[in-house]
Amino acid sequence: DTGVSQDPRHKITKRGQNVTFRCDPISEHNRLYWYRQTLGQGPEFLTYFQNEAQLEKSRLLSDRFSAERPKGSFSTLEIQRTEQGDSAMYLCASSSTGTQPSYEQYFGPGTRLTVT
Amino acid sequence: DQQVKQNSPSLSVQEGRISILNCDYTNSMFDYFLWYKKYPAEGPTFLISISSIKDKNEDGRFTVFLNKSAKHLSLHIVPSQPGDSAVYFCAASGEYGNKLVFGAGTILRVKS
Repeated sequence: DTGVSQDPRHKITKRGQNVTFRCDPISEHNRLYWYRQTLGQGPEFLTYFQNEAQLEKSRLLSDRFSAERPKGSFSTLEIQRTEQGDSAMYLCASSSTGTQPSYEQYFGPGTRLTVT
Repeated sequence: DQQVKQNSPSLSVQEGRISILNCDYTNSMFDYFLWYKKYPAEGPTFLISISSIKDKNEDGRFTVFLNKSAKHLSLHIVPSQPGDSAVYFCAASGEYGNKLVFGAGTILRVKS
């Protein structure tokens, strides 16, 4: 069990560029979540997958954001035409519906995005 | 609307004393509550949780109390240690998919 990993840890991009982040969950976890955290706030839910199916998206997730989990393992989060307001920490978490309690989510170290 | 609130932005306690972090929620549908600890430049680390059918859960130095009628929970750390200095987030779940709703966090500083 190596925990949740995220890549890259830091990303600096210019406004208007596209960026993609990757998350590798704990291997036996079938649920994967994306959250966004800005300074002074707690993480905010963006979207989640159960296996390869994306089951819910927050209204925070504009049409410039897209997430995939093609084989039910790792996930990618892409932001197109980045804006300065996208600057934040993007956190990935995973959990398992096969264990009790399934509410407990385990987070990765996050990807810090800075849009200049 | 903030469904989970942590009204104290920061708390400072002396090493060895008790730290009490508080959290209030508004959504009656929440049925599971969690506390996470976060160090700078790291992701949140799961600390302890409690189901809404319980009023107390204890794990070593950490105890979480839940008062459903008041929609209030608290995290007690006894004794506090300098390594406990971090940001503590309260989170709640209960909706389909178990997404977590977080408070804004409380910065805990334990002075030696």
